Amino acid sequence: GAVVSQHPSWVICKSGTSVKIECRSLDFQATTMFWYRQFPKQSLMLMATSNEGSKATYEQGVEKDKFLINHASLTLSTLTVTSAHPEDSSFYICSAKNTGGSYEQYFGPGTRLTVT
Amino acid sequence: QKEVEQDPGPLSVPEGAIVSLNCTYSNSAFQYFMWYRQYSRKGPELLMYTYSSGNKEDGRFTAQVDKSSKYISLFIRDSQPSDSATYLCAMRKGQGAQKLVFGQGTRLTINP
Repeated sequence: GAVVSQHPSWVICKSGTSVKIECRSLDFQATTMFWYRQFPKQSLMLMATSNEGSKATYEQGVEKDKFLINHASLTLSTLTVTSAHPEDSSFYICSAKNTGGSYEQYFGPGTRLTVT
Repeated sequence: QKEVEQDPGPLSVPEGAIVSLNCTYSNSAFQYFMWYRQYSRKGPELLMYTYSSGNKEDGRFTAQVDKSSKYISLFIRDSQPSDSATYLCAMRKGQGAQKLVFGQGTRLTINP
């Protein structure tokens, strides 16, 4: 149980384009999902907290107009990187909080974004 | 000073050894403590979850929390090459708290 999926697992896009990453909780409902960014050999940096049916809460220094988050249902949250630039290239990981279980976060497999 | 400190390693040990990983933290408000394992280019996997001080054992893994010293540990017995990964400690405040604070992660290699 407590499986979280992400799609796509790897995406390459050209500078200036937008890319959408999906995060799904497959076997539980998640009123809260989280989006993290991870650079090579570094820890996870929380970008934003996504609550179903309401606006996301962004961490300090994260541009909300660049990283659009939509949590439209109890099992799906999306992160859209708008007008991507090479410095946005990173590993993006989502997690979902199992409100029906132990309240802990379960992580997706991550999405590797490369902006050329 | 970071809220959570973790030695990034790398740490390399022979197969079968006991591995000790640890984190220190500065905020006494942390009450819930987790250890995650992350393989290369994968998402973190929850290994152990403990509340407040004490020990918790699950198979070859033992998690210890010493709140008085603000120090947590993860022990791996009979280490296997498949245990080679990055281990991240994480912690949060009360049960309603949302935000996890992660350590930097320790890269561990178990040599056959």
